[in-house]
Amino acid sequence: GAGVSQSPRYKVAKRGQDVALRCDPISGHVSLFWYQQALGQGPEFLTYFQNEAQLDKSGLPSDRFFAERPEGSVSTLKIQRTQQEDSAVYLCASSLSRSEQFFGPGTRLTVL
Amino acid sequence: GIQVEQSPPDLILQEGANSTLRCNFSDSVNNLQWFHQNPWGQLINLFYIPSGTKQNGRLSATTVATERYSLLYISSSQTTDSGVYFCAVEGFGNEKLTFGTGTRLTIIP
Repeated sequence: GAGVSQSPRYKVAKRGQDVALRCDPISGHVSLFWYQQALGQGPEFLTYFQNEAQLDKSGLPSDRFFAERPEGSVSTLKIQRTQQEDSAVYLCASSLSRSEQFFGPGTRLTVL
Repeated sequence: GIQVEQSPPDLILQEGANSTLRCNFSDSVNNLQWFHQNPWGQLINLFYIPSGTKQNGRLSATTVATERYSLLYISSSQTTDSGVYFCAVEGFGNEKLTFGTGTRLTIIP
């Protein structure tokens, strides 16, 4: 079946703009995760959903970051008033609960 | 939180050579995964291995949970094996993965 998909694959934003990044998990996967990967680093956890419930948002770097998964399937990560330090690859992963995580191709965000 | 260390940070090998990558973690874990990040940035699942040994073709992995380390073995390296290899662990009480800093593997023809 299809893997995790993310859109857009690339996004260029001017500083101060709002952006929305979409994740379509593997069908039937209960858990959905967002990670941020800076250049040359390993991915770092941002937030996690089980179905529509956001169970952990401890990794979100500021209140400009907001994630939702209203129907327990597709998720959107929104960044308000983007800053240059927000430039990174944003990765989405999904899993059956407490099992192997599968990652999407990521969205590369560049803030000018 | 859990600390994850990988070694070596960089590894350059001739095609056909064998290699061993190591992952140490600081606490008991519920899950451990090995990934290969290809040059296009895609994280490819290699192993889901909280304990024991698994093999898949030229790759194998062993996790010794009681001693808090895991090893990834790559035999008869090919140029397509180049990329960054990440170890990631899931602690108890939270499903999030904590990643190591990775090992960058370069295979020279």
